[in-house]
Amino acid sequence: QVQLVESGGGVVQPGRSLRLSCAASGFTFSSYSMHWVRQAPGKGLEWVAIISFDGSYKYYADSVKGRFTISRDNSRNTLYLQMNSLRVEDTAVYYCARDLAVVIAIPAYWGQGTLVTVSS
Amino acid sequence: EIVMTQSPATLSVSPGGKATLSCRASQSVISNLAWYQQKPGQAPRLLIFGASTRATGIPARFSGSGSGTEFTLTISSLQSEDFTVYYCQHYNNWPPLYTFGQGTKLEIK
Repeated sequence: QVQLVESGGGVVQPGRSLRLSCAASGFTFSSYSMHWVRQAPGKGLEWVAIISFDGSYKYYADSVKGRFTISRDNSRNTLYLQMNSLRVEDTAVYYCARDLAVVIAIPAYWGQGTLVTVSS
Repeated sequence: EIVMTQSPATLSVSPGGKATLSCRASQSVISNLAWYQQKPGQAPRLLIFGASTRATGIPARFSGSGSGTEFTLTISSLQSEDFTVYYCQHYNNWPPLYTFGQGTKLEIK
């Protein structure tokens, strides 16, 4: 079955960087677009970024554009989110998610998330 | 930018009853609308996509309807595990952009 396991979260000071990873298993990773979605404590969901199955296109929410970079290593079945110039408002649980189907680009299978806390 | 607005923020319904959750888009999103359920401490779970298609394994008591700017998630014969938070989401095919509503909390009356 589809399994997604995020890692790399932690406490970081404003302005610093952090890289999140998402290890995928149970499906052909290289066939699916992947997403990052975040949720601030006690708040709703916010979509962050998407990367195509082969990494040829990437799109970002305006709130993270220019600071965050999504990438993937299909040989390692791993998705990444490089977060630079972190702000207090980036504090959230970060989820990775797989598309519903190869041709249906909706986040459907989710990991359990990793918490990022940006604080001085 | 399309804004998704859910109402009400909190809905109180008795077990066994029917809940009707609403989601409004600031402009037409055709049928590019999904619904998610999220229980405390858990990741979201996809319930509905294409405004009305149930995802795999979702019970028939969950149904979605609507198109354009007005959408509804109906949950009939409410069970204890249904009382949690629900989000609607617009997905744009190209460029790929996704916008969530602020959520509706379904609570026991």
